[in-house]
Amino acid sequence: DVKVTQSSRYLVKRTGEKVFLECVQDMDHENMFWYRQDPGLGLRLIYFSYDVKMKEKGDIPEGYSVSREKKERFSLILESASTNQTSMYLCASIRGSNYGYTFGSGTRLTVV
Amino acid sequence: TQLLEQSPQFLSIQEGENLTVYCNSSSVFSSLQWYRQEPGEGPVLLVTVVTGGEVKKLKRLTFQFGDARKDSSLHITAAQPGDTGLYLCAGAYDTNAGKSTFGDGTTLTVKP
Repeated sequence: DVKVTQSSRYLVKRTGEKVFLECVQDMDHENMFWYRQDPGLGLRLIYFSYDVKMKEKGDIPEGYSVSREKKERFSLILESASTNQTSMYLCASIRGSNYGYTFGSGTRLTVV
Repeated sequence: TQLLEQSPQFLSIQEGENLTVYCNSSSVFSSLQWYRQEPGEGPVLLVTVVTGGEVKKLKRLTFQFGDARKDSSLHITAAQPGDTGLYLCAGAYDTNAGKSTFGDGTTLTVKP
């Protein structure tokens, strides 16, 4: 069964900490994405990557960075966590434009 | 960012009833996806529609893509409590590295 695996289901971090969210896919997909999901705001794109070492900003990149050193792994980094980054973070990969996303199970991050 | 509007936002029905969820945009999409998401989990792809006017069936779920590829509907026949969840539509463009625009979702509750 093809999978996108997010390293943590739940995380609690302190304000100002540097936070790493890891995502691995086993489908050899070129494109990977990081979204955050908040009640009333839907899914908002933070960053995406269409190749190793390539990245593009999404709609809300401020306060985040990403790393894609290997095709299967796409990491989201919160440089200095803040309480307004408390959210559900979803990683996804895609085979091609018309195939739909495969999502991970999500990481529920709480910043205190 | 192009908008995808879903309606209704919330839907609470009794087991056995039928329902329709709508997804509308002013944009033309190369494809449109429907996802179902359960609490605490990532969205799971239900279907992709590509051709204008296309109709796809998945057991009791019927998906339709509008002729102009700007809108879509999801119809559920004889809803069951297991259909409870958040239903998301997402539109994709061929030339956008697989990036999709998501609707805000429809929260469906099916009471036994």
